[in-house]
Amino acid sequence: GAGVSQSPSNKVTEKGKDVELRCDPISGHTALYWYRQSLGQGLEFLIYFQGNSAPDKSGLPSDRFSAERTGGSVSTLTIQRTQQEDSAVYLCASSKNPVGGLGNTIYFGEGSWLTVV
Amino acid sequence: KQEVTQIPAALSVPEGENLVLNCSFTDSAIYNLQWFRQDPGKGLTSLLLIQSSQREQTSGRLNASLDKSSGRSTLYIAASQPGDSATYLCAASGNTPLVFGKGTRLSVIA
Repeated sequence: GAGVSQSPSNKVTEKGKDVELRCDPISGHTALYWYRQSLGQGLEFLIYFQGNSAPDKSGLPSDRFSAERTGGSVSTLTIQRTQQEDSAVYLCASSKNPVGGLGNTIYFGEGSWLTVV
Repeated sequence: KQEVTQIPAALSVPEGENLVLNCSFTDSAIYNLQWFRQDPGKGLTSLLLIQSSQREQTSGRLNASLDKSSGRSTLYIAASQPGDSATYLCAASGNTPLVFGKGTRLSVIA
């Protein structure tokens, strides 16, 4: 696609339910990233994929959070047993080249706004 | 661990002014410094990327500079317009994914 696509754009869920957030990166981009932005906070790194593997998942806040990427393209971020503190915008991004290269511009999607009630 | 700081947190200027946004980072071993814009309720739009070997990049009324040795970058906006009102974020990347500052919220008053 022309840009990074995320779905759903908005999700309201009850505490304790599981949610899945989807990211479709720019075609041909090998690297994919998930970030979280809470109200009034900066962007918090969650996980980085290079192809289908995740060399850096150091930012996942707890074992309730998991992510996978299949076919080197679409990624799904899953949050199990959601808590109110999980309410945030979840932003996905992609880049043509892996982390660690010069000139590696990163492009973001519009985000998935998650509200846990 | 890389830390990125942006000053000021918020800035309000009259239309037509030139302005400078500041970004500092603690680890100078970076490959790229990228500036983004975020409008309320929206994702991030990439504005400029400066490679570590470069000193500055320009796009229209925007000019970003990088002083890697001192751990600083600035974003200069010339002849500001109300449409420039947004939050501006800088982010540094080395051998780890982008680390972001908390942003500067800019308001340009007509």
